[in-house]
Parts: sequence; C-alpha cells; structure tokens
Amino acid sequence: NAGVTQTPKFQVLKTGQSMTLQCAQDMNHEYMSWYRQDPGMGLRLIHYSVGAGITDQGEVPNGYNVSRSTTEDFPLRLLSAAPSQTSVYFCASSYRDRGPEAFFGQGTRLTVV
Amino acid sequence: ILNVEQSPQSLHVQEGDSTNFTCSFPSSNFYALHWYRWETAKSPEALFVMTLNGDEKKKGRISATLNTKEGYSYLYIKGSQPEDSATYLCAFVRRAGGTSYGKLTFGQGTILTVHP
Repeated sequence: NAGVTQTPKFQVLKTGQSMTLQCAQDMNHEYMSWYRQDPGMGLRLIHYSVGAGITDQGEVPNGYNVSRSTTEDFPLRLLSAAPSQTSVYFCASSYRDRGPEAFFGQGTRLTVV
Repeated sequence: ILNVEQSPQSLHVQEGDSTNFTCSFPSSNFYALHWYRWETAKSPEALFVMTLNGDEKKKGRISATLNTKEGYSYLYIKGSQPEDSATYLCAFVRRAGGTSYGKLTFGQGTILTVHP
C-alpha cells in the first residue's frame, strides 16, 4: 500500500516558470489537500478537494491552481513561480468522515530563484 | 482565519523527564482536534484524533486530553526519550454545515528536543 505519493521531492525553478507538483493516493480517500510549510508558520492550507470535480481555496491560494479529475490524483500547479513560493509542499488525504486523520506525502522542497 | 495556537514554541528536556504542551483552539463550532508527530525529513503522522469533550487518548508514553468548552488540548509525554524528539502539531477541524470535510487548521507546532 503506497499511501500518498508526491513527486518530485526537490525542484528548483526560475522566476516565471510554471510547474506541476503531483500527488496520488491509493486509499480511495475523498478528501485531498495541499499545504505549504514555512519557518514559523506551521502548515498552511493552499487548496483542497472533497471529491472528484470539486475543489476549493484554502488560506493561501494565490498563485496556485488545482483540479481533481479522479479520486486518486490532485495535482498542484504553479502558474508563474515567484521567490515567495519557495517552500516545502505537502499533499494530504483522508476519508470524508468525522474528523478523520490525514495521511501525508513525503513533501516537495521547492526553491524559486 | 481560525486561531490555533501552540505553546511553547520549543522545548528542551533531558532524557527521562516528563513534559507537556498546549494547543488552544476556538471553542465554538468544534468538530475534532488532531495531534500529529513530525520528525525531521519525514512527513507528519497522526497520533490522536479527538472528538468529544473530556476525551483522553493514550499511545504508549504519550497521552492527550481535550476540553472543547474552554478550547484547549494537552499532549503529555512521560519519561521522554531521544527518539521522541520531533515537532508536535495540533490541528483543529471546524464544524461546517453539520458535516466536516476534513479541513484542518494547524497550529505552528511545538519543537521538542530530548537530550540524552
């Protein structure tokens, strides 16, 4: 059971470039989400999805785009990378139920230069 | 934006010491409170999911309590070991329209270092 798989683990981008962070889960979880982790800021929610075809914004959505065409996949797109998007990104998934625990991917360390 | 706060921000203890941290969250529209353990270079892993006022959960030397009326939860570690060194995160789940979609609001975490 692979759980939540994120790719890539590391990425360096130039300002203005675009890229997609991949996230896949094999647990048939309805709920998937993307967080960014910055020093002293904890985990902040970027976007989330409660099922295929349904997405919504979190706390810090600007500069990011998501879609959920299947239950398994929830990619995060950076449209035009900026140095402020340098961060560690985590994807998470859980069942859509009464406060279920979240399962996290391994994280992607992104540097924008 | 929901206010979820953890204290202290960091903690250094000696092996064998017992310790505890606090998570404060809104006392209204409570749905669930999660605790996660996050080791360096790894992903956060769930310790406890607490849903009822007065809940007490235990896993080995780690336990947690929940007070939803006053909006706080304590995490206790008895007889700390160096392998307990990690960041401990709490996350609040707010009731939304009678259901929860698992949307978590995290505190900033407490960084625990246990010295041999």
